[in-house]
Amino acid sequence: AQKVTQAQTEISVVEKEDVTLDCVYETRDTTYYLFWYKQPPSGELVFLIRRNSFDEQNEISGRYSWNFQKSTSSFNFTITASQVVDSAVYFCALDDWADRDDKIIFGKGTRLHILP
Amino acid sequence: DTAVSQTPKYLVTQMGNDKSIKCEQNLGHDTMYWYKQDSKKFLKIMFSYNNKELIINETVPNRFSPKSPDKAHLNLHINSLELGDSAVYFCASSQDRAAAAFFGQGTRLTVV
Repeated sequence: AQKVTQAQTEISVVEKEDVTLDCVYETRDTTYYLFWYKQPPSGELVFLIRRNSFDEQNEISGRYSWNFQKSTSSFNFTITASQVVDSAVYFCALDDWADRDDKIIFGKGTRLHILP
Repeated sequence: DTAVSQTPKYLVTQMGNDKSIKCEQNLGHDTMYWYKQDSKKFLKIMFSYNNKELIINETVPNRFSPKSPDKAHLNLHINSLELGDSAVYFCASSQDRAAAAFFGQGTRLTVV
């Protein structure tokens, strides 16, 4: 069965520290997409990244970076030099092409507090 | 113990029909949302309600109308369905707009 696990329910770090949000997924399929979304205090989800299962290159976008490791079924998200504006809930999600429901599956989210 | 439940899970209907998707949350949350999952699996917000009041109303056709009879329910009514409305629709709720959202399992709508 498909599943996304974000084991960290809540994390607090001091501003300018680096922080990594973990995401572990389960899928039977070899073709799938992984997503990260940010849910800021305004409430609606903001898309951050989509990565397909055939591309294991790590990606960096400004202070954000993602480490995709198929061997451990993980797609971790690191924020470097965190800022207070990074405070939000972050969701990891899986799009499993073998899933006949054709829906993305969310993890439960990690709430990130960046303390000034 | 389903926290956010949507019904139906699947809905197949003909063009021109009117249909509703129901969403209920038993978490006592104040804020509820409707998202549309597009063909590339990106989620786009459609509506957000806080305590039965509309907060966010993104640019969606006015054939889509959310209805919140009480704060535990946010139903999505769609008039005159079109082929392009075929998608997966997710309902979600959160304690308030700053809190983590809980998602329903999604409703796959197919318009034929």
